[in-house]
Amino acid sequence: DQQVKQNSPSLSVQEGRISILNCDYTNSMFDYFLWYKKYPAEGPTFLISISSIKDKNEDGRFTVFLNKSAKHLSLHIVPSQPGDSAVYFCAASWGTGANNLFFGTGTRLTVIP
Amino acid sequence: KAGVTQTPRYLIKTRGQQVTLSCSPISGHRSVSWYQQTPGQGLQFLFEYFSETQRNKGNFPGRFSGRQFSNSRSEMNVSTLELGDSALYLCASSLGPQGQYEQYFGPGTRLTVT
Repeated sequence: DQQVKQNSPSLSVQEGRISILNCDYTNSMFDYFLWYKKYPAEGPTFLISISSIKDKNEDGRFTVFLNKSAKHLSLHIVPSQPGDSAVYFCAASWGTGANNLFFGTGTRLTVIP
Repeated sequence: KAGVTQTPRYLIKTRGQQVTLSCSPISGHRSVSWYQQTPGQGLQFLFEYFSETQRNKGNFPGRFSGRQFSNSRSEMNVSTLELGDSALYLCASSLGPQGQYEQYFGPGTRLTVT
């Protein structure tokens, strides 16, 4: 039972353009959402997060949007750079404890120079 | 500050064997969580340890077990290995289990069961 879903396993974008990665969730109790980035042979690294009391959070080239009514969040990367090529995982949580942190299956982003 | 380290990085075992994976958290971190990553399943939570106590456990069979030592290092053990146990096993450490904390992941141990 996948509570966090990333329906696009891969995405290719030209350098300089916008990358939009999508994530849907089913559990309305989730109140904190995170994006992680993973390079091959490395563990995921935290990228950006958003609390359910907000609908947008920006950090440099990265912006996360949250649509609670649609149970949907997205990560925008503008402009995309070749170094952004990685697998991106979205995650959602409520309460405390790692067992309340649910990850999506990941989207592999390829930024073409 | 050194990051999360996991040993070994790669492991090949045969069905029926058992395996022990090790994780050393970031210095000062007291919480260690373990995840299994397989294609199409994302990261699935195995268990979390805090101050040598298992706080939470995911939906995995009893063949998967773990422990945490007084220095916060953690091990996970899988007994009677099955082909489906082939995966990347990640551990993550954090300062503590309370509140919205950031987890720092290690590079993972790639386990292949033949």
